[in-house]
Order: sequence, then structure tokens, then C-alpha cells
Amino acid sequence: DTAVSQTPKYLVTQMGNDKSIKCEQNLGHDTMYWYKQDSKKFLKIMFSYNNKELIINETVPNRFSPKSPDKAHLNLHINSLELGDSAVYFCASSQDSNYNEQFFGPGTRLTVL
Amino acid sequence: QKEVEQDPGPLSVPEGAIVSLNCTYSNSAFQYFMWYRQYSRKGPELLMYTYSSGNKEDGRFTAQVDKSSKYISLFIRDSQPSDSATYLCAMANFGNEKLTFGTGTRLTIIP
Repeated sequence: DTAVSQTPKYLVTQMGNDKSIKCEQNLGHDTMYWYKQDSKKFLKIMFSYNNKELIINETVPNRFSPKSPDKAHLNLHINSLELGDSAVYFCASSQDSNYNEQFFGPGTRLTVL
Repeated sequence: QKEVEQDPGPLSVPEGAIVSLNCTYSNSAFQYFMWYRQYSRKGPELLMYTYSSGNKEDGRFTAQVDKSSKYISLFIRDSQPSDSATYLCAMANFGNEKLTFGTGTRLTIIP
């Protein structure tokens, strides 16, 4: 059974479009994260939610808006996509915000043309 | 200077060799140190987790932390082709949920 799942796995879209990526975890964890991994494999945190509350909001363009409808789900909506948004986006979860062991999803490979 | 530095490689070693992977860091507040393994086109998976200085062993893997030198290592003994992956170090402050990652080292074990 998949612990952290993301949809879609691949996303190819044109510049200027709006798209969403969905994440779900069935581990019963309280905290969820969005990371961006660039072409050089550098993994950088974007957002974190603890029990549906935003607790980390790194320097990310406000075209990116996370939403957590419940503690098992964390979605990422991106407006007005740009070429530089092309990357792999990973969702992760941890037991709570003080527990560092994070479990990652399989990633969503976003390509903006 | 990045908070966490890691040689991106690539690193190629023959099967059965001992592999040494390293990271240095500048933030002395880091107390939790992790190694993640990432296979191609997959998400990172936690391999080793250590708190503060010292060694931790798990099967063929040993993690070492030297806080005085701000240096961490991962050793892989009797390396196998299935160990071929990118290895990412990650660190966190006490009670801080934010992980800071190294850039990852791409490792290939040659049969």
C-alpha cells in the first residue's frame, strides 16, 4: 500500500497555464511538505503544513499556493506557469512537525513548454 | 556559501568496494543528520538517521557525525550494484521541521 502518493506523475503544459498537483498520505501523519528538486537534484523545501495549518512558507513566488483540506492531503496549485517552474515536485510527510523523519512521495515531473 | 556542501560526483566504484560519501555544513545549530537514498525517477527514502555526534551502524551502512568539524559521512561496505543511486545528506535544527539538503552524490557500483 502506497504511503505517500502524488498525482499526476508527469505533467507537461504550456507557459501561462494554471495546474494543480495532489498529494495524499495514509500514514496518519500530522505534517506534510512540498519540495522542489531542480535538474541538478537540489531538493529545496517550499511549504509545510501541520494539521492543516501552514508552518513553513519559504521564499516562493505567490503563484504557488498550497492547500490542505485535511491532514492527509496537501495540494499545490501553480498559476501562470513559467519555464523556470520545470522541476520535479515531491510531497513528503512526517509524524509531526518536531519529528524529522520524512517520507517522500514518488514525485511529479513538471515540464513547462 | 551553501549551508550544506556535498560533492555531486559522479562516483563509480567496483562491486564489493567500500564507499565513502561526505557532507560538510556551516550551521552549528544542526543536531539531526540524515542520509537519504534516491533511485532514478523515484522519491528519496530515509536510509540513516543520527542525532548529534557519533557513529550509527545498520547492516552494511555506517553513518558518522563529527560536529566539531561540521562533517558527516556515510560508509557503505561490500557495495552492491543495487546501491547505485543518488545519496543526499540532510540536516535539521532541534525541534525544527525544516530539513536542509545537500545537492546529492550520484553513485554507480560497477559489477
